[in-house]
Amino acid sequence: GAVVSQHPSRVICKSGTSVKIECRSLDFQATTMFWYRQFPKKSLMLMATSNEGSKATYEQGVEKDKFLINHASLTLSTLTVTSAHPEDSSFYICSAAWAGRNTEAFFGQGTRLTVV
Amino acid sequence: KQEVTQIPAALSVPEGENLVLNCSFTDSAIYNLQWFRQDPGKGLTSLLLIQSSQREQTSGRLNASLDKSSGRSTLYIAASQPGDSATYLCAVPNSGGSNYKLTFGKGTLLTVNP
Repeated sequence: GAVVSQHPSRVICKSGTSVKIECRSLDFQATTMFWYRQFPKKSLMLMATSNEGSKATYEQGVEKDKFLINHASLTLSTLTVTSAHPEDSSFYICSAAWAGRNTEAFFGQGTRLTVV
Repeated sequence: KQEVTQIPAALSVPEGENLVLNCSFTDSAIYNLQWFRQDPGKGLTSLLLIQSSQREQTSGRLNASLDKSSGRSTLYIAASQPGDSATYLCAVPNSGGSNYKLTFGKGTLLTVNP
């Protein structure tokens, strides 16, 4: 299957700082990337959809100024958590899709964010 | 709004047993259904993708079935091994949206005891 790489896998930051998470499709061009958030023992919740070269579409209840998404190329999308607070601590996972891949979505390894 | 339910929430079995994980979804107008595996603190590994026109898919010891009209899917694991211990998630595309935007169940935590 296609490979999606997410970096970093773990990050600890101080309250009030910003953290950037990268999601790269390594062997295909991802026209669309998705960002999910997972709380302990809960489902993955879709946060936003990012299309290359255009503004991200956020799901209801997700603050776009808090979670900045940039999809500058067909292989890279970034999620920046701005002015992080402890309640932003969570597991963030990206996925990438390629229209030619039979609608299957491929996921990164996830990033464990801890805000202290 | 699509909702996905997985039963049981947790399952513990001895090694060698065959087992079935269940997934149900409320909106049967789906394009496909995916089963994933998630190890603790890790991302998702895609196990099987079933298109809406298919009734089942097989990969090694795994077999997934899909009954779209009743809104159900099952994941059958044959001859379970301790290495199968993980959380298994099923997901379907969101209703009325992109086929890649997925709604997930909460997962079934499987423990296979040696």
